[in-house]
Amino acid sequence: GAVVSQHPSRVICKSGTSVKIECRSLDFQATTMFWYRQFPKKSLMLMATSNEGSKATYEQGVEKDKFLINHASLTLSTLTVTSAHPEDSSFYICSAPRTGVGGYTFGSGTRLTVV
Amino acid sequence: DQQVKQNSPSLSVQEGRISILNCDYTNSMFDYFLWYKKYPAEGPTFLISISSIKDKNEDGRFTVFLNKSAKHLSLHIVPSQPGDSAVYFCAASAASGGGADGLTFGKGTHLIIQP
Repeated sequence: GAVVSQHPSRVICKSGTSVKIECRSLDFQATTMFWYRQFPKKSLMLMATSNEGSKATYEQGVEKDKFLINHASLTLSTLTVTSAHPEDSSFYICSAPRTGVGGYTFGSGTRLTVV
Repeated sequence: DQQVKQNSPSLSVQEGRISILNCDYTNSMFDYFLWYKKYPAEGPTFLISISSIKDKNEDGRFTVFLNKSAKHLSLHIVPSQPGDSAVYFCAASAASGGGADGLTFGKGTHLIIQP
């Protein structure tokens, strides 16, 4: 149980376009979703925390207008990379806390390549 | 189907003793394994990794053991310290650690070090 489905798994887009990444909780309600970006040497950086029905909380240094996060329902959180640039190319992954059980469930990740 | 499994949601260990966190995987294509540590309200930080060509990697108080035939790895922390209390994630990659591909995470084990 407690599965988070993340789509797409891979996407290639042109510079200047926008890309939307979705994370859906399939069998539980995710009131909170964490969005991470993977950097070289495998470290993950927390970008923002989305909460259903309210504005996302962004970490310092993360551009709110560039990385739009929406958490419109208890089962869906989205990250939109707007006006993508090659330096936005990275691996993005979402994670939701497993309420009542403990621990976290991760999505399968999205490999974004901006050309 | 969970490809990386951490079957213990939590583990309590006395300060000074050895903490052993376990992780099992099912995908035989995985060839690089990592452990991350996560404090509340922070993103996971990289702790230690091991390539499938090794069966042990040591870094200070942290040692990771890999048993390829059993598809099992473990993280040993000795001696355990109060600051080690955190959630530990096991992750695996099929890209030889080159950073070219994403990671598959386990659900985490909450380690609690008792004084």
